[in-house]
Amino acid sequence: DAGVIQSPRHEVTEMGQEVTLRCKPISGHNSLFWYRQTMMRGLELLIYFNNNVPIDDSGMPEDRFSAKMPNASFSTLKIQPSEPRDSAVYFCASSSGHITEAFFGQGTRLTVV
Amino acid sequence: GENVEQHPSTLSVQEGDSAVIKCTYSDSASNYFPWYKQELGKGPQLIIDIRSNVGEKKDQRIAVTLNKTAKHFSLHITETQPEDSAVYFCAAKEGNNDMRFGAGTRLTVKP
Repeated sequence: DAGVIQSPRHEVTEMGQEVTLRCKPISGHNSLFWYRQTMMRGLELLIYFNNNVPIDDSGMPEDRFSAKMPNASFSTLKIQPSEPRDSAVYFCASSSGHITEAFFGQGTRLTVV
Repeated sequence: GENVEQHPSTLSVQEGDSAVIKCTYSDSASNYFPWYKQELGKGPQLIIDIRSNVGEKKDQRIAVTLNKTAKHFSLHITETQPEDSAVYFCAAKEGNNDMRFGAGTRLTVKP
C-alpha cells in the first residue's frame, strides 16, 4: 500500500478563495482523521470519521470549514472562504480497529495570502 | 474530552546521553498511548506504542513506561544519536475514538 495520500502537497491561495484538500486513506482502514498543525497550537484534531460517518467535528474552527467522506477511500476538507489565519499544514491520518496506530499522510501546506 | 500535556517543549542533549519526554492525560478511559516522531517536512510516524494492560515496553534504544494510576507515560531514548533529532509527540486514545496529541517536544542531539 502507498500509505495515506494527500493532495495537493502545497497550496497557495488568495484570501476569500475556496480551498479543497484531499485525502485517500489506507485501504481497509475504517477511521479517518483530519489534523491541523501550526507552531502556536501544535497538532489539533479537526474532525474524525468512523466508517465514513463524522463522529466528532468539535475541533472544526468555524462554519467556513467542512469535511466529507463520500466513501471509504476518499475524504475532503474544504475551507470557504479562506483567510490568512488558516495558513497551516493539514494532515490526514487513517487507522483500523479500536486500538491501533494512526498512519499520517505527508500533509498539505496551505498558505493563504 | 481527552487533554494531553507534554513536557518539555524543547530538549537538547549531547550525543550518547539519554533523553526523557513526559506526558500526562486526563481521561482515565484512554487505553492506547502512541509516540510519534516528526521530521522536517514530513508527517508524524509511529515509533513505539503502549496499551493500558502493559506498564513498560522496549524496542532497542527506545522505551515507553505507563503509569495508569497517575495517568502519565514517558518516552526514554538511550544512547542518543544526531538522527534522533526531531519533534516527538505523545498521544492518547480511547477505543475507537479520536486520538489527541501533546504539544510536542523538539529534541536536538548535539554531536
